[in-house]
Amino acid sequence: QQQVKQSPQSLIVQKGGISIINCAYENTAFDYFPWYQQFPGKGPALLIAIRPDVSEKKEGRFTISFNKSAKQFSLHIMDSQPGDSATYFCAASRGNSGGSNYKLTFGKGTLLTVNP
Amino acid sequence: NAGVMQNPRHLVRRRGQEARLRCSPMKGHSHVYWYRQLPEEGLKFMVYLQKENIIDESGMPKERFSAEFPKEGPSILRIQQVVRGDSAAYFCASSPTGHEQYFGPGTRLTVT
Repeated sequence: QQQVKQSPQSLIVQKGGISIINCAYENTAFDYFPWYQQFPGKGPALLIAIRPDVSEKKEGRFTISFNKSAKQFSLHIMDSQPGDSATYFCAASRGNSGGSNYKLTFGKGTLLTVNP
Repeated sequence: NAGVMQNPRHLVRRRGQEARLRCSPMKGHSHVYWYRQLPEEGLKFMVYLQKENIIDESGMPKERFSAEFPKEGPSILRIQQVVRGDSAAYFCASSPTGHEQYFGPGTRLTVT
């Protein structure tokens, strides 16, 4: 059972364009939604994260939009650059009441290619 | 502040051998998670540890796999009697609180 569904699998964007990656989740107990960027041969790097009490969060060229009722969230990369070419993963975790176990459930990833 | 360190970066084992993967968390982080990444797949949770305690091992196969995070030293993920299906990238992530997780560069295990 895939709890976090990510689309598209791959995305090609021209330099300067907007890259949009979407994720949908099933478990309404999830309350933390990070995005990770991974380059080949490297570990995932935390990009930006959001909690369901806000509908949008922006950091530089990266924005997360969150729709709690639809159980969806998305990553927007503005002014996409060739250096943004990487695999992007969405993830979700839920607070463990009284504890600190925030194990992440990941989407399957989106391979972004930004053409110069 | 050094990031999460993992070693070895690449490990080749023959079927039936043992694989031992090490993870040194960031300074001040007492929470460690291990994840496995298969080709063309996302990362899958394996185990969550705090110092000297296994908190959640629900994602780890019950046989051949074990993990520890001793009071001193790195966290260790141990795979006994490896099989070809264990070939994957294994990542650890550390966290100061449990929530924000910072990943290491991974260990790529190849079983021949």
